[in-house]
Amino acid sequence: EIVLTQSPATLSLSPGDRATLSCRASQSVSSYLAWYQQKPGQAPRLLIYDVSNRATDIPARFSGSGSGTDFTLTISSLAPEDFAVYYCHQRSDWPMTFGQGTRLEIK
Amino acid sequence: EVQVLESGGGLVQPGGSLRLSCAASGFTFSMHAMTWVRQAPGRGLEWVSGITASGGGTYYADSVKGRFTISRDNSKNTVYLQMNSLRVEDTAVYYCAKDSWSSVTYFDYWGQGTLVTVSS
Repeated sequence: EIVLTQSPATLSLSPGDRATLSCRASQSVSSYLAWYQQKPGQAPRLLIYDVSNRATDIPARFSGSGSGTDFTLTISSLAPEDFAVYYCHQRSDWPMTFGQGTRLEIK
Repeated sequence: EVQVLESGGGLVQPGGSLRLSCAASGFTFSMHAMTWVRQAPGRGLEWVSGITASGGGTYYADSVKGRFTISRDNSKNTVYLQMNSLRVEDTAVYYCAKDSWSSVTYFDYWGQGTLVTVSS
């Protein structure tokens, strides 16, 4: 199966900072990569699909980039509500897999 | 408004069975694939199983293949997950999620989850 490795495991930043989260795949997933946000006690929320397409109602400060095996989620200016855990997800091959998550915490 | 509501979780002994249900509303159910994702306590997300809009395609994680069966009833707007031969490591919150399209791709609406605890 395709293994997704996210880095860093934890990212400590302040509101207004720029956040850069990484997801590396063990083999190419083409452009079939998504990002989800999960807050404590809540279900995940789809942010980005097919590398760079924002899902419905997702603010423009969230953007995705990359191709093949290396992908990035960027939050241009952190809002207080952005502190959460972020997961990447690939649909290129069965079984689908998620990364282990990056926790974005307030510094 | 799209709504996804899971039910059927609970405490079960190792080796036992449980059937989860997921009732959906607010969209044309028969046009969208559905998926189950689980999250063990304090852990990350694990994709479990998905089913296409028609029900003709079903997919499973290696960890549940041969033990879990996904199905759907488009007349009832409901998807099911039959879980047999349960193991302690199956303990998790099980989320049902609506797919963006008719094939299993990305998950744009999620339920709040139902807790399955496998313990003696």
